[in-house]
Amino acid sequence: DSGVTQTPKHLITATGQRVTLRCSPRSGDLSVYWYQQSLDQGLQFLIQYYNGEERAKGNILERFSAQQFPDLHSELNLSSLELGDSALYFCASSPVGREGRRNEQFFGPGTRLTVL
Amino acid sequence: GQNIDQPTEMTATEGAIVQINCTYQTSGFNGLFWYQQHAGEAPTFLSYNVLDGLEEKGRFSSFLSRSKGYSYLLLKELQMKDSASYLCAVRNMFSGGYNKLIFGAGTRLAVHP
Repeated sequence: DSGVTQTPKHLITATGQRVTLRCSPRSGDLSVYWYQQSLDQGLQFLIQYYNGEERAKGNILERFSAQQFPDLHSELNLSSLELGDSALYFCASSPVGREGRRNEQFFGPGTRLTVL
Repeated sequence: GQNIDQPTEMTATEGAIVQINCTYQTSGFNGLFWYQQHAGEAPTFLSYNVLDGLEEKGRFSSFLSRSKGYSYLLLKELQMKDSASYLCAVRNMFSGGYNKLIFGAGTRLAVHP
């Protein structure tokens, strides 16, 4: 158990719908990252938040958005869903980055999204 | 730009040794990670290299050459449970001390009896 929690574990919805995925980081971790992993694909970085502020963006679609709240939990919102959005969505957290320190990312169990 | 290459699939025999290579091109390099991921599960941290050389951790070792943009993960005394994907990830540090991790596509390792 990494200490990162994600809900829901599974989500089945229809095309055109909107869903919200939730993540709670490890206690004390200020950074939250979101990744998408499609079938047989690598982890694609979507977005990073640090202490409530957006810090880095990856290949995140305009239909997707995220935020980090004062209690440090984060939500990823996916709208106008398409079949191709079906994937595992992982959240990860890490402590504040300091050059030279390990500060590895700890991953949550993921949310499996199926769009029908 | 950033590019990380690793073999797509490898097979090995139980009890043997296997080496998974990773080459990368990136700017602002600040460490290389190896993660293990079983199908449908979360990636779990295996090893970290930021300086050149070998890091050993039980049955797993990882090597880094920054000048060559090259790393490898060495798995010894393979067990069936080592069948998984192994993800190479490069960390870039940017202003403010924040880090961004870019993952390779992963190497799927199958261990056979």
